[in-house]
Amino acid sequence: GQNIDQPTEMTATEGAIVQINCTYQTSGFNGLFWYQQHAGEAPTFLSYNVLDGLEEKGRFSSFLSRSKGYSYLLLKELQMKDSASYLCAVMDSNYQLIWGAGTKLIIKP
Amino acid sequence: NAGVTQTPKFRILKIGQSMTLQCTQDMNHNYMYWYRQDPGMGLKLIYYSVGAGITDKGEVPNGYNVSRSTTEDFPLRLELAAPSQTSVYFCASSSSGGEGNEQFFGPGTRLTVL
Repeated sequence: GQNIDQPTEMTATEGAIVQINCTYQTSGFNGLFWYQQHAGEAPTFLSYNVLDGLEEKGRFSSFLSRSKGYSYLLLKELQMKDSASYLCAVMDSNYQLIWGAGTKLIIKP
Repeated sequence: NAGVTQTPKFRILKIGQSMTLQCTQDMNHNYMYWYRQDPGMGLKLIYYSVGAGITDKGEVPNGYNVSRSTTEDFPLRLELAAPSQTSVYFCASSSSGGEGNEQFFGPGTRLTVL
């Protein structure tokens, strides 16, 4: 079966750095997406990785290791507005997205 | 551009009632999707469409129907609503279905079936 695993909840301090991990087992791989979802709102796109390595975009970076079935999202200089759920999704061999349940990130002052 | 819009935002249905969730996008995207999101679970694909006149089942299609008569609109029909269909429904669109094409989501419809 297809499976995406992420921690359910994480807590971090404003100004700090946090790493949210995602491991996956899917039938085929055509890339991995990270989305941000604030409570009661729609998911919005953060990043996409299809090759191994680190993609940096401002305060957010995403890393992929295809051989390990592993990705992480790194958030630097945390702000209160970063309190949200972070969703990991893998595009499978049918080009459909398989979604993790999301990691709720709580930022404390 | 309004992006992806959905109506209604909230709805309460009685068991056995029917309703249509509306979804419209103004980005001229070929691909459109319907997902449901339940607490503690990942988004589940209900139906998707790769263009006007073409629809296909996703992971959880039972109890739902869709149509795609235009590029812009992709309504989701619930027949004989059941409590198990209580969920948040998101419509999304993308320019194509290949690698790297991000999906743009509507604001969601929160449906309760009692």
